[in-house]
Amino acid sequence: DIQMTQSPSSLSASVGDRVTITCRAGQSIGSHLNWYQQKPGKAPKVLIFAASSLESGVPSRFSASGSGTEFSLTISSLQPEDFATYYCQQTYKTPPWTFGQGTKVEVK
Amino acid sequence: QVQLVESGGGVVQPGGSLRLSCAASGFTFSSFGMHWVRQAPGKGLECVAFIQYDESEKYYTDSVKGRFTISRDNSKNTLYLQINSLRAEDTAIYYCAKDRISTSRDSYYYYMDVWGKGTTVTVSS
Repeated sequence: DIQMTQSPSSLSASVGDRVTITCRAGQSIGSHLNWYQQKPGKAPKVLIFAASSLESGVPSRFSASGSGTEFSLTISSLQPEDFATYYCQQTYKTPPWTFGQGTKVEVK
Repeated sequence: QVQLVESGGGVVQPGGSLRLSCAASGFTFSSFGMHWVRQAPGKGLECVAFIQYDESEKYYTDSVKGRFTISRDNSKNTLYLQINSLRAEDTAIYYCAKDRISTSRDSYYYYMDVWGKGTTVTVSS
């Protein structure tokens, strides 16, 4: 299995802050990397697919970049509804695919 | 609207069995691969199983091979997960999710674009 490691595991931020989360793959996965947001008691929601493509309906303050083994998700100006846990997921080769351990974004 | 609704969870003793269902609506179910993803209490997400739209391919994570069976009935727009020989570590919320393929830069990119709300499986004596 391809291991995915996110950092940090949690962070504290304020509304309006710029926030960046990183994800590292255990081997090169090209651009086969997705980002999901999960709020407490809710199912995950896709934000970004193919490393940098914004899913329809997702606010433009979310952006992502990277390829190979290093990836990042950035929220340009944190909004109250953005406090949540974020997961990266690799979809390289056949399923089942693997997620990172998650990054919890909390109120500072 | 596009919707997935899971059912079939419950409290089961170790070694027991359950069959989870996922009813799909609002899209052509028979055209899409489907996933089961689970989340243990307070933990992260784990892909458990995948089935291709025509059942031609099925994949499982190592920890459930031989115990879990994914299947689908396209005439009923329903996905299933038969889970046998349940262990305490199978306790989790089980989500079904729809597979989505995007083409870009001469490659195919996969992601899960629609999720159900989940059904809870608790393994306890």
